[in-house]
Amino acid sequence: NAGVTQTPKFQVLKTGQSMTLQCAQDMNHNSMYWYRQDPGMGLRLIYYSASEGTTDKGEVPNGYNVSRLNKREFSLRLESAAPSQTSVYFCASSDVDRGFLHFGNGTRLTVT
Amino acid sequence: GNSVTQMEGPVTLSEEAFLTINCTYTATGYPSLFWYVQYPGEGLQLLLKATKADDKGSNKGFEATYRKETTSFHLEKGSVQVSDSAVYFCAHKGGYGGSQGNLIFGKGTKLSVKP
Repeated sequence: NAGVTQTPKFQVLKTGQSMTLQCAQDMNHNSMYWYRQDPGMGLRLIYYSASEGTTDKGEVPNGYNVSRLNKREFSLRLESAAPSQTSVYFCASSDVDRGFLHFGNGTRLTVT
Repeated sequence: GNSVTQMEGPVTLSEEAFLTINCTYTATGYPSLFWYVQYPGEGLQLLLKATKADDKGSNKGFEATYRKETTSFHLEKGSVQVSDSAVYFCAHKGGYGGSQGNLIFGKGTKLSVKP
């Protein structure tokens, strides 16, 4: 069972570079999420997609864009990376009726 | 606003010791409550949940009871093992922006169990 798959696992960017983090789930979930995890801060929601075709801002959306490509895939884009975006990024999906999230294994991003 | 507060770590215990990780929350209404566990290098996994007051969630020897009167959901285990070393996150179904699925997480508590 693949669950939630994120790519890449690691990435190093220079300030100003762009990149897209990919996420796919095979559980037929309607909702998908992007969180970032920083030391001492826990997880903070960046963007979410309640269903295919919709996206909404979370707690910390600045500097990011998302695309819900189809029901399976939800990508996160950094147009111009900044050192403050150095973090571990987690994608998650949920079956709202069951009420809990399934997480990918994360992408560790370093911006120098 | 909605939030989750959990005890700061790190917590270091000897094998077979009793574990308590405190968690309190603020929320509108009575949301579902969760404990997630994160092992090194991995994503978060659901450990247990409770959906209404006085419910007890349990899994792998861990337990937590939904206490409405104290807005708490403390995690306990009677005898920890080295394999329980991980970071533990308390969360509630906060519904950021109105989405039903969004969770509000605490900052996490790192547990280290020594043999």
